[in-house]
Amino acid sequence: EPEVTQTPSHQVTQMGQEVILRCVPISNHLYFYWYRQILGQKVEFLVSFYNNEISEKSEIFDDQFSVERPDGSNFTLKIRSTKLEDSAMYFCASRPDRVNTEAFFGQGTRLTVV
Amino acid sequence: KQEVTQIPAALSVPEGENLVLNCSFTDSAIYNLQWFRQDPGKGLTSLLLIQSSQREQTSGRLNASLDKSSGRSTLYIAASQPGDSATYLCAVRGGYSGGGADGLTFGKGTHLIIQP
Repeated sequence: EPEVTQTPSHQVTQMGQEVILRCVPISNHLYFYWYRQILGQKVEFLVSFYNNEISEKSEIFDDQFSVERPDGSNFTLKIRSTKLEDSAMYFCASRPDRVNTEAFFGQGTRLTVV
Repeated sequence: KQEVTQIPAALSVPEGENLVLNCSFTDSAIYNLQWFRQDPGKGLTSLLLIQSSQREQTSGRLNASLDKSSGRSTLYIAASQPGDSATYLCAVRGGYSGGGADGLTFGKGTHLIIQP
């Protein structure tokens, strides 16, 4: 069964460093998303991406964050200068179209900022 | 802003019991509602998607109902098994979620333990 794949599964980085989280969405999907879950808290929407541009973003998604689809398969989330509070599980998700379809999530990347 | 609440926060029952997990949301202008399962340290597995025009959806031992006007959904698990132990998350799409019409707004989940 097709699935969303995320790499790495766990990344440790020093505060102030840039990190790139990678995702391979399901191949025929058109809408891509990043969410995060701080330990013990709710899963929170960060950004949605369609047709090579951001379609919506939350107030969490500030100038430190960016997303890109550099080729036909990968979808990346970049955090320019990590802070301790960026430590969280980051989930990528994809959907085939916008109209009332399921979102499928990857297994997540656990980011630890030290 | 859309808010999603799940009750109870935790539940522990003996194997074989039927159980109900509750989800409520504040803005009824949703497109759909999705139930997920999350195992410790793992990703989210989609269980059921219920459209705003639907009243219920079934998959195996799972049944989800939706009362959009009252802002409520329930997930019914029949004949629970130890393998059902996980955190169950409810998420809605639509309403003002902070993600506009596209992002999902999640509840905090119900942590379910099924005792063998």
